[in-house]
Amino acid sequence: SQQGEEDPQALSIQEGENATMNCSYKTSINNLQWYRQNSGRGLVHLILIRSNEREKHSGRLRVTLDTSKKSSSLLITASRAADTASYFCATDTGGSYIPTFGRGTSLIVHP
Amino acid sequence: EAGVAQSPRYKIIEKRQSVAFWCNPISGHATLYWYQQILGQGPKLLIQFQNNGVVDDSQLPKDRFSAERLKGVDSTLKIQPAKLEDSAVYLCASTLGFGNEKLFFGSGTQLSVL
Repeated sequence: SQQGEEDPQALSIQEGENATMNCSYKTSINNLQWYRQNSGRGLVHLILIRSNEREKHSGRLRVTLDTSKKSSSLLITASRAADTASYFCATDTGGSYIPTFGRGTSLIVHP
Repeated sequence: EAGVAQSPRYKIIEKRQSVAFWCNPISGHATLYWYQQILGQGPKLLIQFQNNGVVDDSQLPKDRFSAERLKGVDSTLKIQPAKLEDSAVYLCASTLGFGNEKLFFGSGTQLSVL
């Protein structure tokens, strides 16, 4: 079963616009991570946010975590055509620290 | 720094045949994961190794799937016999320690079972 679920399933925007994706999960987590996957490739790690953190930034990426709502959001500012990819959230719980992935959000950025 | 290496990149087989995938993690990484990613879905964990020991294989269909990590370095995942529903991308990932950190993924092996 999948712990995290991303929303929306698909997102289509113009270059320069911001893209926001959300991830909701069911049980308390240790960490939440966001990954990007280009078509036909492996996943690339973007950001890891721990359960005691509320916000992290990396370049044009901003991730927030609201543990009371069991949700996270990924914001990509000033999107580029190269940001076109699928984005996955992954959570780990308990003592296993094994990341469990959601179904992902497919982002298309039109030039 | 070399990344996670996987081979083959693509494999096409007929149902009931067997197939094997190979993974070489980043040098020094203790933990290795095999994930299965069916088209349109997120990766699903099959098995996790720490060094050469199995940590979690609860979602591995053990009647047909097997995996080993001899000497705590590279790993092989085998399917015997394959079913149509095994068509997926098989991803290998590694981490330096044991959990609580980011995963480094290989490019995956795309398996088509006809």
